[in-house]
Parts: sequence; structure tokens; C-alpha cells
Amino acid sequence: QSALTQPASVSGSPGQSITISCTGASSDVGGYIYVSWYQQHPGKAPKLMIYEVSSRPSGVPDRFSGSKSGNTASLTISGLQAEDEADYYCSSHTGSSTPYVFGTGTKVTVL
Amino acid sequence: EVQLVESGGGLVQPGGSLRLSCAASGFDFRNEWLTWVRQAPGKGLEWVANIKPDGSEKYYVDSVKGRFTISRDNAKNSLYLQMNSLRADDTAVYYCARDWGYRMDDWGQGTLVTVSS
Repeated sequence: QSALTQPASVSGSPGQSITISCTGASSDVGGYIYVSWYQQHPGKAPKLMIYEVSSRPSGVPDRFSGSKSGNTASLTISGLQAEDEADYYCSSHTGSSTPYVFGTGTKVTVL
Repeated sequence: EVQLVESGGGLVQPGGSLRLSCAASGFDFRNEWLTWVRQAPGKGLEWVANIKPDGSEKYYVDSVKGRFTISRDNAKNSLYLQMNSLRADDTAVYYCARDWGYRMDDWGQGTLVTVSS
């Protein structure tokens, strides 16, 4: 099972919107609603930000939103803030003997 | 409050073994799937293994099959990862996570495993 493909880096100014893509295949992203997004600050554990493509856990700001089209999922951060600077990883259920796959990760920089 | 605390990491020689533990609290441990995820230094996240609530089903990433064994003790609210035949590319921070509804809701702080001579 290959890692899902994400851009290595995305940047934006405070207040702007950015979108991170996550491209897989019909056997993972395209085949299931179980796409999640995780935020990881340096030296910290990952934190769940989005699950089931577009649902937000309690406590996650509504500036974070998710979507999916075909084999590509996306995370959008609206009204970018300094504390959003972090690494972001997508993940998908695969339905195979390896039930999960992560994306390659995207470093978000707030200019 | 959900808490997951990993322990057992350290320096081990290639070919050696190590057993990681994860002590859990704050949720219904015996009724939830649990997962191990690792992250090599400066690299991305890699899903490693997960286990069904009653321990009857276990799944592994191909690179650790036959070398790693995931297990749990529901009476002790503890998750384990027995790692044998360790290789340099197993060097990573290992996280345990609560695996609920095909997502990892809560994570521990991680424990570092270094495989080196």
C-alpha cells in the first residue's frame, strides 16, 4: 500500500485560505468516506482535525474544513492563523489487510 | 479525559527485541480498537498495527509482519507492541492511538525507539 500523495509544502498569509490535497486511489480515498486529517506541531503528537471527509471533532475551529472528489481529498484552512503553522497528514481506510494509509505530509507555513 | 502513555522505548542493537507498552485511561478501553503508528526522524506518519477490542483480530503493515506482535490486556487497560528482529529502519517515535470509527481520535505522546550498533 503506497502512501497517499500530498504537496510537500503550502504557505499563506494570515487571514488567507489555503487548501492541501491528498491523492490516492479507488482502493482507498476514492472508495471510502473514512478520510481523516491530522495536525502535528513540532515535537508533539498528531491531533485529529477532520474525520469522515468533512466532520470536525469537538473543539476544532470551523476554519478547518474537508472535502473529497474522486480519489482526491482536500483540507481547507480559512482565515489562516499563526498557530496553524504545522505539518498536516491525511489518512484513509483501505479495506485491505493494511487497513490504514497515511499521506506523505504537508508543511504549512504562515508568512 | 483520555490519556495514553507509551513507555518501553530505548536504544537496541540491530536484530534485538523491545516491548512497548501503552497505559490507557479515560475511555472504555475494552470496547475499542487500538493502533500503533510510528514516525521516523524527520519523516511522515506510518500506520503499524491495530487490534480488535477482544484481541481476536490483528492487522499489520507489511514491513513488520512476522517481526512485530500487537497485544492487549483489557484487565490492565494496556496495549503492547512486541518488536523482534529490529532493523535500523524501525528507528522511530512510536505512538499508540485510540482507533475509533476508522480514525485515530486520541494519541499518546510517543516513545522513541533507536536501532543502532
